[in-house]
Amino acid sequence: AQKITQTQPGMFVQEKEAVTLDCTYDTSDPSYGLFWYKQPSSGEMIFLIYQGSYDQQNATEGRYSLNFQKARKSANLVISASQLGDSAMYFCAMREGAGGTSYGKLTFGQGTILTVHP
Amino acid sequence: EAGVAQSPRYKIIEKRQSVAFWCNPISGHATLYWYQQILGQGPKLLIQFQNNGVVDDSQLPKDRFSAERLKGVDSTLKIQPAKLEDSAVYLCASSSYLGTSGETQYFGPGTRLLVL
Repeated sequence: AQKITQTQPGMFVQEKEAVTLDCTYDTSDPSYGLFWYKQPSSGEMIFLIYQGSYDQQNATEGRYSLNFQKARKSANLVISASQLGDSAMYFCAMREGAGGTSYGKLTFGQGTILTVHP
Repeated sequence: EAGVAQSPRYKIIEKRQSVAFWCNPISGHATLYWYQQILGQGPKLLIQFQNNGVVDDSQLPKDRFSAERLKGVDSTLKIQPAKLEDSAVYLCASSSYLGTSGETQYFGPGTRLLVL
């Protein structure tokens, strides 16, 4: 079974508008972390934001926020005021806690290509 | 603070040849990861080191892939012999050990390998 599912292969957004990238996850471990990374065409993976399973509030980092709905097992990334430089591939990833058999490694989704139009 | 360094950035080889990739993690980071990213997919973990010991190599094709992390700093990933399906980007990442799910991994620029 897929542990991380990103159902949007591609998304388009107008510059200065907000966009939501979807991510659902599957784990039975009560302790886990959810991450979003940005991968521009140059190839490097850039860390954007982190949400812990026990965090009470949604994580925010500048223009990035994470809409964490634990009961639904979703961790959507919201980018506000999109910029042309936001055009890239975006990956959702999960790291299970010490109780999980896959502790340590990040499990990635398939990614969503975001294109920002001027 | 310097990021994760990788070399070479690009490599083209013929099948059945061997190739090696090098990674230097962020200073002080005890944990080092090698991921393989095939075009159009998310990265997949190949091997994880904690200092110079292997924590997880369950997805490393051990008949052709090998990795080492001598002295717990730099790491080398080798493929011998290479197959066409090894064409991918090889990403190295490092993290400082927290022992929690919140440990953030920082990635290098990757090595793009093309096997002809």
